[in-house]
Amino acid sequence: EIVLTQSPATLSLSPGERATLSCRASQSVSSSLAWYQQKPGQAPRLLIYDASNRATGIPARFSGSGSGTDFTLTISSLEPEDFAVYYCQQRSSWPPVTFGQGTRLEIK
Amino acid sequence: QVQLVESGGGVVQPGGSLRLSCAASGFTFSNYGMHWVRQAPGKGLEWVAFIRYDESTKYYAASVKGRFTISRDNSNNTLYLQMNSLRAEDTAVYYCAKGGGYCSSTSCPFFDYWGQGALVTFSS
Repeated sequence: EIVLTQSPATLSLSPGERATLSCRASQSVSSSLAWYQQKPGQAPRLLIYDASNRATGIPARFSGSGSGTDFTLTISSLEPEDFAVYYCQQRSSWPPVTFGQGTRLEIK
Repeated sequence: QVQLVESGGGVVQPGGSLRLSCAASGFTFSNYGMHWVRQAPGKGLEWVAFIRYDESTKYYAASVKGRFTISRDNSNNTLYLQMNSLRAEDTAVYYCAKGGGYCSSTSCPFFDYWGQGALVTFSS
């Protein structure tokens, strides 16, 4: 089973700042990694697929990078609606599908 | 537009059973693999099960294998999760999720659409 480790657990930033979230895989997942955003009481929303491709309707301030075992989600300039929990997820080797434990992005 | 609507959640006792349903619309349900993903209160996401579009392949997480059964009715665009021998640690919101998001395979587990979730809790 591929384990995904996200860091930091919590990130405290202000609107307008740049956010950098990390996801590390226990073995290579190539580029088969996605990022999701989840707000309280809502289902997750797909932001990024295949490490660096934005899903339909996702603003350009969201970008993904990385391959192999190290991945990054960057939000270039935080909007108030971006404060949420973010999860990475791999599909390189499944079952099982695995998610990271999440990074909570909170307002400073 | 694509919609996934779960139903069937509720309060159960340890050892009990429950069947969740997920009604799909807005896409050709019979062409896509479907998944269940759960989230315990205050915790992260855990993948639970997968069923191929034609039911020929099913996968389960180790934590539910032998207790949960995924199935589908393509004529009624509905996905199911039969949950038996329920345990307190199965308490969670259960989401159905459409597979094949931005993939060449309609089974691939990138989830481009999710339901709103069905809550399964235990009575003390």
